[in-house]
Amino acid sequence: DADVTQTPRNRITKTGKRIMLECSQTKGHDRMYWYRQDPGLGLRLIYYSFDVKDINKGEISDGYSVSRQAQAKFSLSLESAIPNQTALYFCATSDSGTGGHGNEQFFGPGTRLTVL
Amino acid sequence: GQNIDQPTEMTATEGAIVQINCTYQTSGFNGLFWYQQHAGEAPTFLSYNVLDGLEEKGRFSSFLSRSKGYSYLLLKELQMKDSASYLCAVRDHNTDKLIFGTGTRLQVFP
Repeated sequence: DADVTQTPRNRITKTGKRIMLECSQTKGHDRMYWYRQDPGLGLRLIYYSFDVKDINKGEISDGYSVSRQAQAKFSLSLESAIPNQTALYFCATSDSGTGGHGNEQFFGPGTRLTVL
Repeated sequence: GQNIDQPTEMTATEGAIVQINCTYQTSGFNGLFWYQQHAGEAPTFLSYNVLDGLEEKGRFSSFLSRSKGYSYLLLKELQMKDSASYLCAVRDHNTDKLIFGTGTRLQVFP
């Protein structure tokens, strides 16, 4: 079973619709992240959460909101989708402890979102 | 602020060696990561450097020079399956966030 899962994997929606992307993890990590990836722009951080009661904006949070329902779940919402939010969205997790590999981030499989 | 630069595209031949460079400028450095990403898939961790020097892991090695703000990923004995994008990311000491470069797309030809 995958350690980091995202639902849905693909979504096509219309301008103005509310969309929720969900992320779950079984790794027991305390930190979770949402990124979007656009061609030529790389991965950009939308929001991140270092524990259940901690939510922080990333570099491109406008038009997005998040909810950390539990340590294992972190949802991203687009309140009113617009076409320039068409992108590949990734959830990631990491552990804050003194683990190996510098506490690398583990990524989910991604959600491809198209806003028409 | 932070800035990470890496070449957009590279090509190489199967069996050869390729070096992908990454330069960075950051206000607070706390480690550099390399990730591999096949088209349409999730990035996967390759290497981590926090001290100067070379880290070797099988066919892949990563080097870091903190004084020069420079890293490279070295791929030996290239295989067709190594065709992917390679992402350089720096962790900011103050925020613990990762800042990603735009990635280097590597194409390996027979």
